[in-house]
Amino acid sequence: GAVVSQHPSRVICKSGTSVKIECRSLDFQATTMFWYRQFPKQSLMLMATSNEGSKATYEQGVEKDKFLINHASLTLSTLTVTSAHPEDSSFYICSARDPDWGDYEQYFGPGTRLTVT
Amino acid sequence: GQSLEQPSEVTAVEGAIVQINCTYQTSGFYGLSWYQQHDGGAPTFLSYNALDGLEETGRFSSFLSRSDSYGYLLLQELQMKDSASYFCAVRGDRGSTLGRLYFGRGTQLTVWP
Repeated sequence: GAVVSQHPSRVICKSGTSVKIECRSLDFQATTMFWYRQFPKQSLMLMATSNEGSKATYEQGVEKDKFLINHASLTLSTLTVTSAHPEDSSFYICSARDPDWGDYEQYFGPGTRLTVT
Repeated sequence: GQSLEQPSEVTAVEGAIVQINCTYQTSGFYGLSWYQQHDGGAPTFLSYNALDGLEETGRFSSFLSRSDSYGYLLLQELQMKDSASYFCAVRGDRGSTLGRLYFGRGTQLTVWP
């Protein structure tokens, strides 16, 4: 199956700083990637859809100026959490679709655990 | 909006059969998927139903009834390694981008020896 990587796997930052998370599709080209947030023992909440070469589509209630998404190439999308606060501490997961394998299955990255102190 | 309901917890012993139900309410429907997630790990795809009926993949099967807005995941011959969270997810139709998944709250399955 297709492989999606994320970097870093864990990050601790101070309140007020910005953190960038990278999501890469390693063996396929992904025109669309998705960013999710997951709190402990909770569901995955879709934050935004990242489209290569165009602006991201954000879900209702997600601040686009706080969660900046850039999909600069067919294999890389980045999520930047700006001016992070402790309430932004969460597990951030990206996923991507491989068009060659149909459009119903999503491949998830291993996630990034963000802790804001 | 999208709403999915599934039980929060299920427990069973090794070798048993477990069924995890999922009911959904969506503004549009393009299929029901199931994902498995072990603690601290990434969700992995298990199955997908776009049409009514049963899909079988090894020990796991998934069923869909679109008229009832209902589906289930059936796990047979349970093994300890099956202990994980299981999420149902629907593809919605919001906007022009298909493929967006909306997840249920997850069912924590614990398999006892």
